[in-house]
Parts: sequence; C-alpha cells; structure tokens
Amino acid sequence: ETGVTQSPTHLIKTRGQQVTLRCSSQSGHNTVSWYQQALGQGPQFIFQYYREEENGRGNFPPRFSGLQFPNYSSELNVNALELDDSALYLCASSLRQENTEAFFGQGTRLTVV
Amino acid sequence: KNEVEQSPQNLTAQEGEFITINCSYSVGISALHWLQQHPGGGIVSLFMLSSGKKKHGRLIATINIQEKHSSLHITASHPRDSAVYICAVRAISGGSYIPTFGRGTSLIVHP
Repeated sequence: ETGVTQSPTHLIKTRGQQVTLRCSSQSGHNTVSWYQQALGQGPQFIFQYYREEENGRGNFPPRFSGLQFPNYSSELNVNALELDDSALYLCASSLRQENTEAFFGQGTRLTVV
Repeated sequence: KNEVEQSPQNLTAQEGEFITINCSYSVGISALHWLQQHPGGGIVSLFMLSSGKKKHGRLIATINIQEKHSSLHITASHPRDSAVYICAVRAISGGSYIPTFGRGTSLIVHP
C-alpha cells in the first residue's frame, strides 16, 4: 500500500453534470499529479500541483480543474461531463525534486452515462 | 506517433519463462519509470532509471540513453506477474514537466 488514497473508488454521473474527485497524498509529499486512463490506454497527464499552485498541464480543456490544499491533499473537478470522460482517474504524489518516485492511488473509476 | 512506444502490446508466457518488455522513446528524458498495473487499476512503481541497470528480486530494468531504449526483464515468471506493465518518461525540463506514458504491455503468465 502506497499511502495515497483516492475517493470515491467508483462513480456514475450523467452527461452535463459536474464531479469532484479527491486524493490524499503520501505523508511528506508536496506534489500531486492527476492522470486520466481510458480503457486499454496508458495514463494521460492532466495536471500537476506543487504547494497549492498548478505546475504543469497536459492537453485537457479548462473544464478540468484542480485544487491542492495546505495539507497537500488534492481535488480534481470536471465540469460539463461528456461521455468520453469515462475513465480511470489516478493521482500520484511525490516530492518536488524531478527524479524522485511517485506513489499512485488506486484510482477512481468514473462512468458518464 | 506516441512519444513512448512499448512492445509487445500483449504477451503470453508459461510459468518459469524469461520475459522481456521493450520501451522506446523519442524525447530527451531525465528519468524513465517502469510501472505495474493490476486489474482494478492501482499502479505500483517498479523502477526509476536515469542510466544503467537496476535489479529487484526477479525484475531487472535496463536503459540505454543514447539509443533511447529501455527493457524490463522478468526472470522465472510466475502467474502473479500477470499485469499490465507501463513505461513512462519524464522529459528534460528545469521546472514543470509533462510525464508521458506508453500504452502498456499486457502480460499473462499461465501456470
């Protein structure tokens, strides 16, 4: 077990709704990254937060937004859900230094119907 | 074309076989990761490499920076090794970075 906890584990939403996913980081880690993994694909980087500031973003529209809190836990918010947003959403925590390992949570399986 | 290519995409082996999974990338990197993902989604980091070779139990990972290529080897494979193995790279960057993942290699080891 990595110490990175995500909630909820599974979620079903309707197209057009909004969703918030949560991630608690490994103790001592100040950086969190979020990824989207569609079925049969590798994870795609959404964004990274370091000390409550966005610190890098992948090719995702603005309706994907995030927050990092002072305790380094994090949220991923997705507005105006689309069917293609159905995926496994993973968060990973790490220290800021580039070449340190990241620890992944178990993921949240989001289904948009 | 994806910046990170893995081969093979699918692999089936008998217990005890030696397994090799390959990863090629097209960008300059600061580090390469090998990850293991079991059904249900959770990802475990196996190795982080920036040069040379690392070994952990029956797993060996190598990287050739000049050739932009890495391999993950599993010796004496076991059914519990069945999982998806993902190669991910960190592009060279002083500050923020965008990690790029391969699509994964699905490994099934039969008893």
